[in-house]
Amino acid sequence: TQLLEQSPQFLSIQEGENLTVYCNSSSVFSSLQWYRQEPGEGPVLLVTVVTGGEVKKLKRLTFQFGDARKDSSLHITAAQPGDTGLYLCAFPPSGNTGKLIFGQGTTLQVKP
Amino acid sequence: DTGVSQNPRHKITKRGQNVTFRCDPISEHNRLYWYRQTLGQGPEFLTYFQNEAQLEKSRLLSDRFSAERPKGSFSTLEIQRTEQGDSAMYLCASSIGSPGRFGYTFGSGTRLTVV
Repeated sequence: TQLLEQSPQFLSIQEGENLTVYCNSSSVFSSLQWYRQEPGEGPVLLVTVVTGGEVKKLKRLTFQFGDARKDSSLHITAAQPGDTGLYLCAFPPSGNTGKLIFGQGTTLQVKP
Repeated sequence: DTGVSQNPRHKITKRGQNVTFRCDPISEHNRLYWYRQTLGQGPEFLTYFQNEAQLEKSRLLSDRFSAERPKGSFSTLEIQRTEQGDSAMYLCASSIGSPGRFGYTFGSGTRLTVV
């Protein structure tokens, strides 16, 4: 069974700091997605990575897919209070591309 | 199109009562998903439809839970004889094609509290 492990589970930082959160598995992903969820709302898709070693940037967010496609990281530069939320990674399990499996998430709190 | 719509946003019910939630997906999306999420955790898969066909159900979906998508458009999720452990956020999502490539669009969820 493919499982996702996200770390850290909780992160509280001051505005302006940089941070990195991680998503790991012992299995190879065919693709991986990152979502952000604000309190009381559904998750919103940020990015999809497909190719090993791929790096994608979305303003102050940088997403990296590991060379072996078993891990991914999300780096935020100069965090802002608006970045506060639950960051989730998700993947389609092997042999079943009809759904996504989510990790338990990293809760980020950015204090002004 | 205003995205994925879920109703109601909040539901408080007494233990043992039945509840029904509705999801209206993005009109051109042929796939519709239901997930359950507890506070601070990731969404857990419940079931999904491709058009009107229910293609997969999780073991989390006990016999008290039933989902339908009769005309391949909106979907309902019914929970019978609710228990306190059913308290959670119920999320609906839709996608077009493979979600691994195109991702989900989620609704805002229905928060269920069983008292």
